Amino acid sequence: QKEVEQNSGPLSVPEGAIASLNCTYSDRGSQSFFWYRQYSGKSPELIMFIYSNGDKEDGRFTAQLNKASQYVSLLIRDSQPSDSATYLCAVNGAAGNKLTFGGGTRVLVKP
Amino acid sequence: GAGVSQSPSNKVTEKGKDVELRCDPISGHTALYWYRQSLGQGLEFLIYFQGNSAPDKSGLPSDRFSAERTGGSVSTLTIQRTQQEDSAVYLCASSRGGPIDTQYFGPGTRLTVL
Repeated sequence: QKEVEQNSGPLSVPEGAIASLNCTYSDRGSQSFFWYRQYSGKSPELIMFIYSNGDKEDGRFTAQLNKASQYVSLLIRDSQPSDSATYLCAVNGAAGNKLTFGGGTRVLVKP
Repeated sequence: GAGVSQSPSNKVTEKGKDVELRCDPISGHTALYWYRQSLGQGLEFLIYFQGNSAPDKSGLPSDRFSAERTGGSVSTLTIQRTQQEDSAVYLCASSRGGPIDTQYFGPGTRLTVL
């Protein structure tokens, strides 16, 4: 079992719809959780982080964390074509500050 | 303020040669990380520096890989006797450290070993 798992996609959503991305992790001691967006040929850029159970909203993005289920998700509301990218889930485990990344979910927003 | 910078942006080398990749972190960031990303793959942790502490080298794939961080700032990742499987994008990230360690990535160095 991979330490951080994501569906590779592609996740195809129509413009204006909600994109829902999921991530599960194996290290129950994980402390903080990050979502990065990566455009093709570019480096990852931070969207948001979450460390408490529940929801955290930032603009059109909402991160949801459920530590009991070892599950973190990202919702993108009012999806735009510019949201088309690969979304990487990253987990900061109990062992230290290095991030463990999932393989990423490719999102395609169609006009 | 400038972000994380890396050089060179692209490096093509022949199998067996040594290469050095450079990273300049964001000013004031005490933590520095190296990752690599092979084509179509996720990010793989290589090494982590935090202040004056001994680096966490647990992700280095072989003893051909090494890294230094001089003066708590600039870091150099060295790959000796490069192999074709070393071809990847090498990404550097820096952060302030602390319990919520938000890492910011540089643009990466694309290494191609022929």
